Amino acid sequence: AQTVTQSQPEMSVQEAETVTLSCTYDTSENNYYLFWYKQPPSRQMILVIRQEAYKQQNATENRFSVNFQKAAKSFSLKISDSQLGDTAMYFCAFIPRPGNQFYFGTGTSLTVIP
Amino acid sequence: NAGVTQTPKFQVLKTGQSMTLQCAQDMNHNSMYWYRQDPGMGLRLIYYSASEGTTDKGEVPNGYNVSRLNKREFSLRLESAAPSQTSVYFCASKLGGTDTQYFGPGTRLTVL
Repeated sequence: AQTVTQSQPEMSVQEAETVTLSCTYDTSENNYYLFWYKQPPSRQMILVIRQEAYKQQNATENRFSVNFQKAAKSFSLKISDSQLGDTAMYFCAFIPRPGNQFYFGTGTSLTVIP
Repeated sequence: NAGVTQTPKFQVLKTGQSMTLQCAQDMNHNSMYWYRQDPGMGLRLIYYSASEGTTDKGEVPNGYNVSRLNKREFSLRLESAAPSQTSVYFCASKLGGTDTQYFGPGTRLTVL
């Protein structure tokens, strides 16, 4: 069975500070892709960052970076210089390759405090 | 490009009523998906269509039917709505051979 676990239902961070959101997953597949999606109050799902499991280098997108530990099946998201607009629900997800089905965690609600 | 569009944005039904949620994408994507989102549950896959003419069950298919009308459109039907189907429904699509999904804006459905 493929599962994704986000153990932090809620988090908060001061504006301009750094925060790390945790995600672990379980799969028997060796090849897969991992994602972090952001869902602001508008409800729209927005892709934040993606990581290919066969790449050892951690993905980075501006203020967002990941710490991918394949052996530990861990995929955490680091947000640097947090901004008020980062307030949202964040979902971790993965898709085994080959495959068409995505698996999502239950989400972490992040609040950036001014 | 409009991306992925969903209609309606909001809907209220009475128990036992039927309705169809519509989804369309203009990105020439092969695969399309229907999810439901409930508090504390994340997104759960209802059905997906890997390509035109095919559909497969996801994690929570009971009470739903789907139709891949053509490459652009993928509809979700509730034949006899139940209060347990109160949720936010998302449609998504992705290009075959790639891995990134693109989501619609969601439909908030309430079943009384």
